[in-house]
Amino acid sequence: DAGVIQSPRHEVTEMGQEVTLRCKPISGHNSLFWYRQTMMRGLELLIYFNNNVPIDDSGMPEDRFSAKMPNASFSTLKIQPSEPRDSAVYFCASSSTSGVSPLHFGNGTRLTVT
Amino acid sequence: TQLLEQSPQFLSIQEGENLTVYCNSSSVFSSLQWYRQEPGEGPVLLVTVVTGGEVKKLKRLTFQFGDARKDSSLHITAAQPGDTGLYLCARGGATNKLIFGTGTLLAVQP
Repeated sequence: DAGVIQSPRHEVTEMGQEVTLRCKPISGHNSLFWYRQTMMRGLELLIYFNNNVPIDDSGMPEDRFSAKMPNASFSTLKIQPSEPRDSAVYFCASSSTSGVSPLHFGNGTRLTVT
Repeated sequence: TQLLEQSPQFLSIQEGENLTVYCNSSSVFSSLQWYRQEPGEGPVLLVTVVTGGEVKKLKRLTFQFGDARKDSSLHITAAQPGDTGLYLCARGGATNKLIFGTGTLLAVQP
């Protein structure tokens, strides 16, 4: 059974460029989460979706960040324009909404903005 | 805002030693999960606790949820190098949104 799939694994870009991160959740999971992990701030929740609808985007740092989930099997996190302080590992996770469900994480995208 | 404080932040021990890491909050959780994260990978669930005072065991790992549901601990007996990783607690609430703690980075030296 395939887990959560993220692409790319690594992204290096220059300041000001647009960056798009992609995620395919586990089939049948109806909740999807985007997290950002840094040494200084740990693992922060950016946004999450239930049944493709954004429920809480209070963790999205600025208007430069946007996330979409056009269908149950795909989500994107876009940063435009990117800045060096956006450098981090970005994780996507999915879960079932039934009961106390664990999160299943992808292996992350390591973003470096120079 | 960090809602969950974990201690210690870093721990380096020798193989065979025992250790305990802690997860604390000023507010009550409805549930708490523990995850372990290895380099280059996402966190992986170890256990979920939902009842105050609950104790769960997973081989050499013992998880306890405080009676007041504001704190939790993870005890590892006879640590092995394979236990090395970042240990994260995460609190659940009314929704399925999870907020993670600050993490404890454990290194077990052979």
